[in-house]
Amino acid sequence: AIQMTQSPSSLSASVGDRVTITCRASQDIRNDLGWYQQKPGKAPKLLIYAASTLQSGVPSRFSGSGSGTDFTLTISSLQPEDFATYYCLQDYNFPQTFGQGTKVEIK
Amino acid sequence: EVQLLESGGGLVQPGGSLRVSCAASGFTFSSHAMSWVRQAPGKGLEWVSAIRGSGGSTYYADSVKGRFTISRDDSRNTLYLQMNNLRAEDTAVYYCAKPQSPTTVTTFVYWGQGTLVTVSS
Repeated sequence: AIQMTQSPSSLSASVGDRVTITCRASQDIRNDLGWYQQKPGKAPKLLIYAASTLQSGVPSRFSGSGSGTDFTLTISSLQPEDFATYYCLQDYNFPQTFGQGTKVEIK
Repeated sequence: EVQLLESGGGLVQPGGSLRVSCAASGFTFSSHAMSWVRQAPGKGLEWVSAIRGSGGSTYYADSVKGRFTISRDDSRNTLYLQMNNLRAEDTAVYYCAKPQSPTTVTTFVYWGQGTLVTVSS
């Protein structure tokens, strides 16, 4: 199975900060990667698919980039509602695999 | 409006069996692939299984292969996950998830609220 290594596992940031989360695949997955946001007690929410395509209704401060093995999720200006845990998910092949998650906390 | 409603979770002893269900509405169920994703308490997300539309191909995580079976009843718009030989590490909230388009198996836009399965003696 493809391993997805996500970093950092957690970070502290302030409102207005630029935040970057990375995900590295153990093999080339083209651009078959999505990013999800999850808040406590809630189901995950799709933010980005195909590595860089913003899901409908998601604020433009979220962006994704990368292809092959290295991917990035960027929040350009962190808002109070963005404090959550973020996961990458490769859908290049089965079994699909998530990264370990990045918890974004308030500094 | 797309709705996914899981049910069937509960407490089961190690080695036991349980079937969880996901009742779907608001879309043409038979056309869409469906998946199960789980989350152990305080842990990250783990993809579990997927099934293509109209009872097509099935896929499993290595951790559940041979123990879990995904199936669907398109006449009842319901997805199932039969879980056998359950272990403590299967304790998790189980979510059903659906992609936006019938042409994809992944990219989960719609999620249920989850059902908790607890494996303990």
